[in-house]
Amino acid sequence: GAVVSQHPSRVICKSGTSVKIECRSLDFQATTMFWYRQFPKQSLMLMATSNEGSKATYEQGVEKDKFLINHASLTLSTLTVTSAHPEDSSFYICSARKGTSSTDTQYFGPGTRLTVL
Amino acid sequence: SQKIEQNSEALNIQEGKTATLTCNYTNYSPAYLQWYRQDPGRGPVFLLLIRENEKEKRKERLKVTFDTTLKQSLFHITASQPADSATYLCALDRGNNNDMRFGAGTRLTVKP
Repeated sequence: GAVVSQHPSRVICKSGTSVKIECRSLDFQATTMFWYRQFPKQSLMLMATSNEGSKATYEQGVEKDKFLINHASLTLSTLTVTSAHPEDSSFYICSARKGTSSTDTQYFGPGTRLTVL
Repeated sequence: SQKIEQNSEALNIQEGKTATLTCNYTNYSPAYLQWYRQDPGRGPVFLLLIRENEKEKRKERLKVTFDTTLKQSLFHITASQPADSATYLCALDRGNNNDMRFGAGTRLTVKP
């Protein structure tokens, strides 16, 4: 089956530092990758969509300069939280899709728990 | 505004019974509706997709219905088992490729 990994699984950082989260599709090429964040007992909120080799499309209200997304290859996307603050503490989840159709299955990574002190 | 509501935050049932979870939506015209399972501290796992022109879809012990008139989907797990305990999320997609929205989920607990 299709496997998506995320690294790190947990990260604790000081306020003001930047954190990079990697999302990899291990056994397939991902045309599109998505980044979500999830607060406790809340739904997944789409942050941005990225296609390999092009700029990410951010959802309304998501700061592009704060959440930098790079989709350099068909198997790797990175999310960098710049100048992190305690309110950025959340569960960040990526997903990857093989094709471009909405009916193509999205495979989710295991998530990254970010805690900003 | 668009809303996706899952009937309850938590649902407790006895092993062997059928669990029924509800997903209602307003101000939305989804082309597809999907159900996912999410375990604590993990990413969601895809279960089923149902299209707007489909009334029902089954997969093993799972059954999903989609009523675009009522703007509602029902998700059933028959012969439930403690291993089915998890949070179940519905997600709506308008079909323009990058527009899937999730409900907050229902946490199901199946007691032995």
